[in-house]
Amino acid sequence: KAGVTQTPRYLIKTRGQQVTLSCSPISGHRSVSWYQQTPGQGLQFLFEYFSETQRNKGNFPGRFSGRQFSNSRSEMNVSTLELGDSALYLCASSPGQEVFNSPLHFGNGTRLTVT
Amino acid sequence: GENVEQHPSTLSVQEGDSAVIKCTYSDSASNYFPWYKQELGKGPQLIIDIRSNVGEKKDQRIAVTLNKTAKHFSLHITETQPEDSAVYFCAAGGDNDMRFGAGTRLTVKP
Repeated sequence: KAGVTQTPRYLIKTRGQQVTLSCSPISGHRSVSWYQQTPGQGLQFLFEYFSETQRNKGNFPGRFSGRQFSNSRSEMNVSTLELGDSALYLCASSPGQEVFNSPLHFGNGTRLTVT
Repeated sequence: GENVEQHPSTLSVQEGDSAVIKCTYSDSASNYFPWYKQELGKGPQLIIDIRSNVGEKKDQRIAVTLNKTAKHFSLHITETQPEDSAVYFCAAGGDNDMRFGAGTRLTVKP
């Protein structure tokens, strides 16, 4: 079974631009959650989706948004990029509705650099 | 949810020794405590987890203990090997949130 796939692996953007990251979950997994990983703040929850519905959102500004498609694939978008948005963005999938009290299957992430 | 504190931030052991990483959480609603291992250039991978109705769980060289009253949980790795070198994260999950510790960089010296 293929794991969680995130594309692209690396991105370099300029301040003020916007970016879209993509995540394909493990086949059959319906929950997708997104995380930001930085050296200073560690791993922080962004948002999570189940059956195309955003159910929970972390403490991030509205510039961070996402969506999930009917095939469970998910995208996240960051608008008006700031230098502080430079991070590794991780996507994780899980088979059922319980995201925060069940194992997460992470992708290898997208490394975003904002210059 | 509240934060999860993880100690130590770095740990260096000799091959064959044991390694212990400790975490403390504050949200009493947390009921799921996974541990993830992250190798360079990869995403975190679940290595073991424990639920709040269990005090201890073991899987070969890896064990996790949970003290729900004190809100502490620990990862124990015995007979460490160089391939155990990685960053380890603890996490505390509940109904609406999952919080991660800051990570422990474990180095196992051959």
